[in-house]
Amino acid sequence: DAEITQSPRHKITETGRQVTLACHQTWNHNNMFWYRQDLGHGLRLIHYSYGVQDTNKGEVSDGYSVSRSNTEDLPLTLESAASSQTSVYFCASRQDLGTGELFFGEGSRLTVL
Amino acid sequence: AQSVAQPEDQVNVAEGNPLTVKCTYSVSGNPYLFWYVQYPNRGLQFLLKYITGDNLVKGSYGFEAEFNKSQTSFHLKKPSALVSDSALYFCAVRDIDTDKLIFGTGTRLQVFP
Repeated sequence: DAEITQSPRHKITETGRQVTLACHQTWNHNNMFWYRQDLGHGLRLIHYSYGVQDTNKGEVSDGYSVSRSNTEDLPLTLESAASSQTSVYFCASRQDLGTGELFFGEGSRLTVL
Repeated sequence: AQSVAQPEDQVNVAEGNPLTVKCTYSVSGNPYLFWYVQYPNRGLQFLLKYITGDNLVKGSYGFEAEFNKSQTSFHLKKPSALVSDSALYFCAVRDIDTDKLIFGTGTRLQVFP
């Protein structure tokens, strides 16, 4: 079955370190998204991509970057981790049309000490 | 700008009773509206969507939602709640300009035996 997987599921890191969260989907979806989930804020969009070599900033993109070198993967990089980036991160993918629903990964819980 | 609001942080209901989780939206143009559910330590799962057509939309697990254009609402409903329905529910609206989804802050549904 097609799926979307995130790794690692849990990570603890120190302030200032670079961290990369992986996201891999096997649906062959062109659209991929990274969200963070925080209490009281719901889901907030970090970055998104509508195809290979395409990346776009979401509403909370500062301190994060993504790259899209193939259809299946959209890794999220925290260039210099900050305590404010402690959160649960979700990757999602979707078929091209805006009417299509998102398929979410299981999440990556990141703690920055 | 497009937005969605979930006015209740938590909804409590007894098993067997009907439940309603509220959602209101603000969009320019025709809205594309979605409901997702999140069980503990899991990613979000798609429940149902409204794109066009019948105002009453049926979805997974016996849930339905009623689109009301005059009240700009898209409330989630179920005739008879189950304890297993206890979860976090998110309403979302499609941003027409960028084709991404904007999520509400979520409503925690607690169904008591």
